[in-house]
Amino acid sequence: DGGITQSPKYLFRKEGQNVTLSCEQNLNHDAMYWYRQDPGQGLRLIYYSQIVNDFQKGDIAEGYSVSREKKESFPLTVTSAQKNPTAFYLCASSVDRGKEQYFGPGTRLTVT
Amino acid sequence: AQSVAQPEDQVNVAEGNPLTVKCTYSVSGNPYLFWYVQYPNRGLQFLLKYITGDNLVKGSYGFEAEFNKSQTSFHLKKPSALVSDSALYFCAVRGTGFQKLVFGTGTRLLVSP
Repeated sequence: DGGITQSPKYLFRKEGQNVTLSCEQNLNHDAMYWYRQDPGQGLRLIYYSQIVNDFQKGDIAEGYSVSREKKESFPLTVTSAQKNPTAFYLCASSVDRGKEQYFGPGTRLTVT
Repeated sequence: AQSVAQPEDQVNVAEGNPLTVKCTYSVSGNPYLFWYVQYPNRGLQFLLKYITGDNLVKGSYGFEAEFNKSQTSFHLKKPSALVSDSALYFCAVRGTGFQKLVFGTGTRLLVSP
């Protein structure tokens, strides 16, 4: 059963703590993406990766970090430097950078 | 710069009636256009895309979209709405070359029985 998995579905953290969101895909896609979704603002690109061991900042990378050590995995760390981390985080992948993206189910992060 | 506008925050339609969700875009070069649907607390599902070719694109669940180059629009349509179509719909665009995918702010579709 091919697809993108994100875990956990809900995540709660205290302010000042780093937290890592998991994203795994078995679609054999080269490109992977992280988006943040806030009500009324659509999706904003945090980071993207076109190949293993390479990634680029998106529009709102400050306070976030990623790694791409394996083709299947693209974890996102929300650091304590992120001023407003509470949001719905979506991971996506595509065959290559030009094709349609397929999304995981999302992780809702709440920081208090 | 690339941009997408979804001028309606919400569209209301009765079940069985045709529906249209509007999208206009601005991009350099030829546009690559996409529609996605999102159900509550879920990820986005790909519906359809326009890359080149026929201006009328057919996609999943009976949806279609019409590309209009002169009006820079890519409106999503369905001939007969279902209550289960109620969801949040996103239009997205990217230009030629590697440019990131830009999403609209979404349009909530509410289909009443």
